[in-house]
Amino acid sequence: DIQMTQSPSSLSASVGDRVTITCQASQDISNYLNWYQQKPGKAPKLLIYDASNLESGVPSRFSGSGSGTDFTFTISSLQPEDIATYYCQQYNTLPLTFGPGTKVDIK
Amino acid sequence: QVQLQESGPGLVKPSETLSLTCTVSGGSLSNYYWSWIRQPAGKGLEWIGHISTTGTTNYNPSLRNRVTMSVGTSKNQFSLRLSSVTAADTATYYCARDMFYSKGDCWGQGSLVSVSS
Repeated sequence: DIQMTQSPSSLSASVGDRVTITCQASQDISNYLNWYQQKPGKAPKLLIYDASNLESGVPSRFSGSGSGTDFTFTISSLQPEDIATYYCQQYNTLPLTFGPGTKVDIK
Repeated sequence: QVQLQESGPGLVKPSETLSLTCTVSGGSLSNYYWSWIRQPAGKGLEWIGHISTTGTTNYNPSLRNRVTMSVGTSKNQFSLRLSSVTAADTATYYCARDMFYSKGDCWGQGSLVSVSS
C-alpha cells in the first residue's frame, strides 16, 4: 500500500493568515492526489483534484501543488469557515489511501 | 445534482454481519464505480473498496476476507456487507462516487454503525 503522511497534524492560525499543509507519498504517485475538507459531523468535501485543479465552486483561496511524492495545500487567506480537518488522498494505486489529516483552527 | 444516502442498522452485534445500502438520486449508477469509506470516531478515513455497475469489485486487502459489495442498477442502489464484525468496525460509513476512476466529488452524509452486544 502507498502510505500518505501529512504535516503538521494540527495548526492554529489567525484570520487572514496563509496556511500551508504538506503531504508526502511513500512512492511516486504522479499527480494523482486529492485534497478534502471535513468539518465536524460532515462528509469530506473535495477541494482539489489532480494535485492542483480546483473543484468547481471551491473558493480560489484554496490551492494545491506538487507531483511525484511531495505535495502542498495552501489556504491563501484563512477564513473562519475554513476551520476543519484537511486530508490528502492518493489515487495512483489501489488500495486508495488517505493521509492522517491536518486539523486547522483559529488562533 | 447527484445525491447519495446511506441506510442500514445503527447497531450490530459482534460476530454478525454489517449491512448498508447507498441510494443514488439525481443521476444514474451507470458508467461509474462506487466506493465505501469508513471513519472511526476521531480518526482518519479508510477506503473499504469499490464496485462498478457491472459488478466488478476491488477491496482493500485489510478487509478483503470480510467484505462483499453488490449493485442493484434497477433501484439505483449499491450495498456493503462486512462479516464477523468486532468493536474495531465501529465507525461512520460513507458511500461515495469512486475516487479512483472518478473525482470522488459526491459523498453521502454518512451512517454511524456501532458494534456492541
